[in-house]
Amino acid sequence: EPEVTQTPSHQVTQMGQEVILRCVPISNHLYFYWYRQILGQKVEFLVSFYNNEISEKSEIFDDQFSVERPDGSNFTLKIRSTKLEDSAMYFCASILDRGQETQYFGPGTRLLVL
Amino acid sequence: DAKTTQPPSMDCAEGRAANLPCNHSTISGNEYVYWYRQIHSQGPQYIIHGLKNNETNEMASLIITEDRKSSTLILPHATLRDTAVYYCIVRTTFYNQGGKLIFGQGTELSVKP
Repeated sequence: EPEVTQTPSHQVTQMGQEVILRCVPISNHLYFYWYRQILGQKVEFLVSFYNNEISEKSEIFDDQFSVERPDGSNFTLKIRSTKLEDSAMYFCASILDRGQETQYFGPGTRLLVL
Repeated sequence: DAKTTQPPSMDCAEGRAANLPCNHSTISGNEYVYWYRQIHSQGPQYIIHGLKNNETNEMASLIITEDRKSSTLILPHATLRDTAVYYCIVRTTFYNQGGKLIFGQGTELSVKP
């Protein structure tokens, strides 16, 4: 069964450094999402992406965050200058199309900012 | 989107049916009930969804009351691997919401031997 993959599985970084989290959505899926989950808290929506542009973003997704689909297969989340409070699990998800709304999630990247 | 209320935790004996309730008393006519689960910090996994009719798939059954104000997810023969946090999410279709999921705290189901 096709699946969403994410790399790396774990990332440790120093505060102020840039990180790029990578996702490979299921091929032929058209809509892509990033969520995060701070330890012990709810899964929170960050951003949705379609047709090479952001469709919607949450209040969490400020100017420090950006997303990109650089090559038609990868979908990346960049945090420009990490803060301690960015430490969380980051999940990528994708759906096939409108009307096929089952979201398939990746296994997540655990980001730790020191 | 309508708010959902779920018990924070439940236990179930292995091999027995797990019945997970969800209250969504403010649900509107065009809102669906979705269930996802998250096994120990893995990515959430889709289980099932429905509008007003009961639904069944290979993982579970979804029973929605006639007034649609509550629903129950049924895992017919729970196994230890079903231990997870189960999320009931009420939302409209993609056309109105763009596909994002709004997660609550969910129900932590512990399946015990």
